[in-house]
Amino acid sequence: KAGVTQTPRYLIKTRGQQVTLSCSPISGHRSVSWYQQTPGQGLQFLFEYFSETQRNKGNFPGRFSGRQFSNSRSEMNVSTLELGDSALYLCASSLVIGGSYEQYFGPGTRLTVT
Amino acid sequence: AQSVTQLGSHVSVSEGALVLLRCNYSSSVPPYLFWYVQYPNQGLQLLLKYTTGATLVKGINGFEAEFKKSETSFHLTKPSAHMSDAAEYFCAVTPTGNQFYFGTGTSLTVIP
Repeated sequence: KAGVTQTPRYLIKTRGQQVTLSCSPISGHRSVSWYQQTPGQGLQFLFEYFSETQRNKGNFPGRFSGRQFSNSRSEMNVSTLELGDSALYLCASSLVIGGSYEQYFGPGTRLTVT
Repeated sequence: AQSVTQLGSHVSVSEGALVLLRCNYSSSVPPYLFWYVQYPNQGLQLLLKYTTGATLVKGINGFEAEFKKSETSFHLTKPSAHMSDAAEYFCAVTPTGNQFYFGTGTSLTVIP
């Protein structure tokens, strides 16, 4: 099976712009989670989607949003970018059935805001 | 509330020595526990997991971890460190499988 894929892998944006990141989960996985990883804060949970519905949301401002499509692919959007949004954004998918809760991570999208 | 504490943000061991990375958790319900490894410029890779059953869990690359409920710990060990083990290690807990809580990570350096 193909793993979790994220596009693009690297992105440079200017303050005030908006950005959309894409994640394709492992085939058959219906849960997709997003994390922000920074050297100072570690992995911070953004949100989790299951069957096109947001089930959980972390403590991030409303500038961070996401959605999931019927094929389980997910996008996250950050509007009005700030310098502090520079981070590695990780997507993870999981099966969530039969007690199988482990998350499988993509390689991440490195976002740099200048 | 759920949380994970990883003691020691940086650990150095000699090649061939025991690796011990510490993880303590808090959870309001019986937890599912995980260890992940991250190599530079890559995503996280699952090393091992504890869900139910045997408390000593074996994972990939010779790593294992023991779930100790009384100590709320899930420490990661490997008998003999290899240079290729140098990476960032993350402990994670989830009470339901919907939301994961990660520790801040431990950077492992292996000294030749």
